[in-house]
Amino acid sequence: GEDVEQSLFLSVREGDSSVINCTYTDSSSTYLYWYKQEPGAGLQLLTYIFSNMDMKQDQRLTVLLNKKDKHLSLRIADTQTGDSAIYFCAERGNYGQNFVFGPGTRLSVLP
Amino acid sequence: EPEVTQTPSHQVTQMGQEVILRCVPISNHLYFYWYRQILGQKVEFLVSFYNNEISEKSEIFDDQFSVERPDGSNFTLKIRSTKLEDSAMYFCASGTGFYEQYFGPGTRLTVT
Repeated sequence: GEDVEQSLFLSVREGDSSVINCTYTDSSSTYLYWYKQEPGAGLQLLTYIFSNMDMKQDQRLTVLLNKKDKHLSLRIADTQTGDSAIYFCAERGNYGQNFVFGPGTRLSVLP
Repeated sequence: EPEVTQTPSHQVTQMGQEVILRCVPISNHLYFYWYRQILGQKVEFLVSFYNNEISEKSEIFDDQFSVERPDGSNFTLKIRSTKLEDSAMYFCASGTGFYEQYFGPGTRLTVT
């Protein structure tokens, strides 16, 4: 079945760039998403990319998609302490309506 | 900015009891979803709902679960006879189309 994997932890220093990586197995994925979850809060949609794109930039966020390798990344420029959270990668295939989520990457930003 | 809301934020219930988790989706959205996240595990899809009926459900969504849109604003998840393993964070989501889902803050369900 479909599967989405991420590394579980990432630590960066404030002001550095963070790169969170994700791999997925479903080659029919049409949309890929990044969600952010702060402690005690819900899932906040950060950005998404359609599978016919290879890059999307939105202010400090850059999403890169390598469809051949089924690899998605989220780069956060000038990482701030407020970026500390769990980041979830998710994909949606061609036919199902549900999203399949990765396990989440816990980003810790050190001062 | 409109957002999905969920009540209660935390529900404690005894095993075997029925619970109803409530959600108010964003008002012009047509697609509604429930997901759950057991502590330390992945967010898992439960069910999607469109045009007043279930459009897709996972194998987790067995006969003890049901969903309803009782009026024009609420979307509910009922668990008929709760089990210890139903303890999780339950997220409601809504969207205008298949490609977007906006999530609520979640209801933490604790079954004792």
